[in-house]
Amino acid sequence: AQKVTQVQTEISVVEKEDVTLDCVYETRDTTYYLFWYKQPPSGELVFLIRRNSFDEQNEISGRYSWNFQKSTSSFNFTITASQVVDSAVYFCALSDFNQAGTALIFGKGTTLSVSS
Amino acid sequence: DVKVTQSSRYLVKRTGEKVFLECVQDMDHENMFWYRQDPGLGLRLIYFSYDVKMKEKGDIPEGYSVSREKKERFSLILESASTNQTSMYLCASSLGQLYQPQHFGDGTRLSIL
Repeated sequence: AQKVTQVQTEISVVEKEDVTLDCVYETRDTTYYLFWYKQPPSGELVFLIRRNSFDEQNEISGRYSWNFQKSTSSFNFTITASQVVDSAVYFCALSDFNQAGTALIFGKGTTLSVSS
Repeated sequence: DVKVTQSSRYLVKRTGEKVFLECVQDMDHENMFWYRQDPGLGLRLIYFSYDVKMKEKGDIPEGYSVSREKKERFSLILESASTNQTSMYLCASSLGQLYQPQHFGDGTRLSIL
């Protein structure tokens, strides 16, 4: 079965702390893609990153980094030196290809609150 | 940049009304999606469409229908609105390939009284 589990429901940190959001997935597919999205209080989901199942290199983009480990079926997201603007709901998602077409399976989200 | 536009940001309707939520994308995307988002439940797929006049049921299609008469427009219809359909509704679009991300609209917060 295709499934995405976001381990933490809510996380609260103080500015400048590092924080990691954990995502674990289950899939029947050998080729698949994983995504992270950010949903700020304004409501629109913003695409952050995509990873394919054959590329286990970690990725860093500024204060954001992602750790993909196929052996543990995890795709974790770390924010270094968090800021108040990082406060949002973060979603991890898995590609789902079926006869009808392609869709995404989303986790239930992790709400991150960063206080000053 | 891809633009996905939802017709209303906030909407209040009454029980039993027929409700239309409209979504338009400007990037010639094949796929379009409707989700609802509820606290603690994340995003749940209602319907999606991979081509004009085509539609597929998602995880929670009951009480909803959709229409895609033109490639850029995907409508969600609540045939007879009920209070348990009060929710945030999100529309998204994407190109057809597996690796393509979905692009989302701002959402419509729908209240059924």
